Amino acid sequence: AQSVTQPDIHITVSEGASLELRCNYSYGATPYLFWYVQSPGQGLQLLLKYFSGDTLVQGIKGFEAEFKRSQSSFNLRKPSVHWSDAAEYFCAVGASFNKFYFGSGTKLNVKP
Amino acid sequence: EPEVTQTPSHQVTQMGQEVILRCVPISNHLYFYWYRQILGQKVEFLVSFYNNEISEKSEIFDDQFSVERPDGSNFTLKIRSTKLEDSAMYFCASRGTGGNEQFFGPGTRLTVL
Repeated sequence: AQSVTQPDIHITVSEGASLELRCNYSYGATPYLFWYVQSPGQGLQLLLKYFSGDTLVQGIKGFEAEFKRSQSSFNLRKPSVHWSDAAEYFCAVGASFNKFYFGSGTKLNVKP
Repeated sequence: EPEVTQTPSHQVTQMGQEVILRCVPISNHLYFYWYRQILGQKVEFLVSFYNNEISEKSEIFDDQFSVERPDGSNFTLKIRSTKLEDSAMYFCASRGTGGNEQFFGPGTRLTVL
């Protein structure tokens, strides 16, 4: 069965510092991989996605993620965090585009 | 920019009552989804819907749940007789033909008392 683990429930970083949010998945083949962000009162917004090809993918708002098959990971990174990045981040995997499995989310706080 | 909308944003109901959660997907999308997130837990897939029928559903989506596209714009989730454990945030999503991204609405928070 597919599953997604986001080991960090809460992370606090200082504005301007770098960020890495962890995501590990369990799936027999290479799944479709996604990162979504949710700001309070908002829907889930897609940051980036990976299907195949280059294992380093660029997304919106300066985010990137790297797919590492050997580690079954798809960690999200940003070199310099802005206060507006404070939100909850969800990693998701899918065997198709029709059913996604989500992690439990990581809440990001940004210190001024 | 087109977006998925959901109403109401918050619904409070008594246990045993029926609720209908409403979603307006992006207008040219043909694939529709419901997910839910119980407080503090993962976002869970409930059901996918295409061409006026359910494509796939999870074990959570039992006989108490139903979905419908009553007209050309709305997509609804009905819970026939709500239980306390149905309290959750319910997200609607839609996807266009040939697209690989699900666009999510802001969610409806359902509280069952």
